[in-house]
Amino acid sequence: EAAVTQSPRSKVAVTGGKVTLSCHQTNNHDYMYWYRQDTGHGLRLIHYSYVADSTEKGDIPDGYKASRPSQENFSLILELASLSQTAVYFCASKDSANTEVFFGKGTRLTVV
Amino acid sequence: KTQVEQSPQSLVVRQGENCVLQCNYSVTPDNHLRWFKQDTGKGLVSLTVLVHENDKTSNGRYSATLDKDAKHSTLHITATLLDDTATYICVVVDRGSALGRLHFGAGTQLIVIP
Repeated sequence: EAAVTQSPRSKVAVTGGKVTLSCHQTNNHDYMYWYRQDTGHGLRLIHYSYVADSTEKGDIPDGYKASRPSQENFSLILELASLSQTAVYFCASKDSANTEVFFGKGTRLTVV
Repeated sequence: KTQVEQSPQSLVVRQGENCVLQCNYSVTPDNHLRWFKQDTGKGLVSLTVLVHENDKTSNGRYSATLDKDAKHSTLHITATLLDDTATYICVVVDRGSALGRLHFGAGTQLIVIP
């Protein structure tokens, strides 16, 4: 069964701390994405990757880094968490033919 | 600039009623259009995907249409249930991008009341 698993599902971090959000997919998809969702807005693209060991900047990459150590895993890293990064983060995977798109259940990050 | 506009922003219907959600987009060139359902605090679940001009799809009580010329899609929900309460998100895949870029609408919040 196709799946995108995010961990943790929720996290409280302190301002200035480091946060790592993890994403694992079992879909054999090449493309993986990290989005953030803020109330009243559509999902916005932070980073994406289309092959292991390579990542690309999305629309709002500032303050975030990404890592794709393998096809299955894609991490989002906040080196110095800030209050403005409080949001729900979604990971997604997609096949190259655009026939399948799967989302994780989201990670609710609260920076205090 | 917002490339995917959804309307209405929110909608309240009584259980058993039908409703129609709209999606207009300016993504060029477009590819697939997908509708997702997002329950409060949950992830996005795919309802349907529309690929071709004048595509129509049906998935139980959900049906959708796509007019590529008008860059417009509708999602129809018939005989709504309380469990239909959720945010419905329209997503357009940009085939002009090698990444098959996804463009998201802000969603329509549907509330079904008894």
